[in-house]
Amino acid sequence: AQSVTQLDSQVPVFEEAPVELRCNYSSSVSVYLFWYVQYPNQGLQLLLKYLSGSTLVESINGFEAEFNKSQTSFHLRKPSVHISDTAEYFCAVSGHTDKLIFGTGTRLQVFP
Amino acid sequence: EPEVTQTPSHQVTQMGQEVILRCVPISNHLYFYWYRQILGQKVEFLVSFYNNEISEKSEIFDDQFSVERPDGSNFTLKIRSTKLEDSAMYFCASSEGGAGRGYTFGSGTRLTVV
Repeated sequence: AQSVTQLDSQVPVFEEAPVELRCNYSSSVSVYLFWYVQYPNQGLQLLLKYLSGSTLVESINGFEAEFNKSQTSFHLRKPSVHISDTAEYFCAVSGHTDKLIFGTGTRLQVFP
Repeated sequence: EPEVTQTPSHQVTQMGQEVILRCVPISNHLYFYWYRQILGQKVEFLVSFYNNEISEKSEIFDDQFSVERPDGSNFTLKIRSTKLEDSAMYFCASSEGGAGRGYTFGSGTRLTVV
């Protein structure tokens, strides 16, 4: 079975500062890893994913995540956040089946 | 950009009543899912559906729950006799080729059981 831990329930940060949202997973099989973002009153949107290959994956809006197998982590980073990045971020994993196992989410609050 | 559409956005129902949550997946997608999120808790998998049958379901998805794809466009979740603990946000999702291709989620239906 897989599980996902997001240690930080909330991350407050000032605009243009760097941010890291932490995600650790456990699994006995090879996994796919995902970050989803949820803006207020909207559904979950896929931000980026790791399936195989390069351990560093990037999104179109400046976020990146690095798969670290030895530390079973998939932390999300952005070097300079904007007000518009304020949202809930969910880390998720899928293993040998098709379902996603989600973490509890991290609320990123960006202040001016 | 194609969307997954869910209706209604909010439904209030009395305990013991049947509810049907509706979803229109993206037209060329083949895999369909329901997830739920109880307030303040994590998003939980309920069921996956492919080729007109359930491919996987969670422990939450007991006999009170059922899914159906009644025509070529809709995908529904029925709860036969709602309980207070069924109150949650229910998300529908679809995928072109399984989790590895990424899901597209709808905006959710907030179900409140009173």
